[in-house]
Amino acid sequence: NAGVTQTPKFQVLKTGQSMTLQCAQDMNHEYMSWYRQDPGMGLRLIHYSVGAGITDQGEVPNGYNVSRSTTEDFPLRLLSAAPSQTSVYFCASRPGGAYGYTFGSGTRLTVV
Amino acid sequence: DAKTTQPPSMDCAEGRAANLPCNHSTISGNEYVYWYRQIHSQGPQYIIHGLKNNETNEMASLIITEDRKSSTLILPHATLRDTAVYYCIVRVNWGSSNTGKLIFGQGTTLQVKP
Repeated sequence: NAGVTQTPKFQVLKTGQSMTLQCAQDMNHEYMSWYRQDPGMGLRLIHYSVGAGITDQGEVPNGYNVSRSTTEDFPLRLLSAAPSQTSVYFCASRPGGAYGYTFGSGTRLTVV
Repeated sequence: DAKTTQPPSMDCAEGRAANLPCNHSTISGNEYVYWYRQIHSQGPQYIIHGLKNNETNEMASLIITEDRKSSTLILPHATLRDTAVYYCIVRVNWGSSNTGKLIFGQGTTLQVKP
């Protein structure tokens, strides 16, 4: 039982490049979310999913796409990276009902 | 989801109880109170949650007032490793378009001192 696994842990991108941040959970959790955290600031919700095939926007969705084709995976796509997307990205999951989210260890992204 | 208000920072002596307050005066009947913490740059960690009864687990206790407008997270014997940002969040768990959303506020930075 690995929990929530995020890959890669570190990434440097050039402005305009695209990439996908991977998130996988092996707990059969229904809900999954993506957050970003800028230096010295709180977490902001990017996108979230309430089940396979269902996604919705969070607080800061612009510049990011998500899809949820399986229960286990919830990838986050940066379409055209910008320096403003330099951040730490966290993925989280939880089961249905009154339970807390389990977070991954994060992906540290730098866009130059 | 209802908004929450927390003090920006608190200090606590090592070995003493840390009592972290949270106001959620607009909480609805079907909204739960959740507590998370984030140690340095790690991913947030779920601590505890409750609806209206007081709750206790191996990490902490949660005391919710009878009118549910405020709550207190209690770390009974704080250690240096409990130094973190603590977030109080209110959300629904069923039957709402917001069920999947978890919105973090600014939280309380707890500094445990030797």
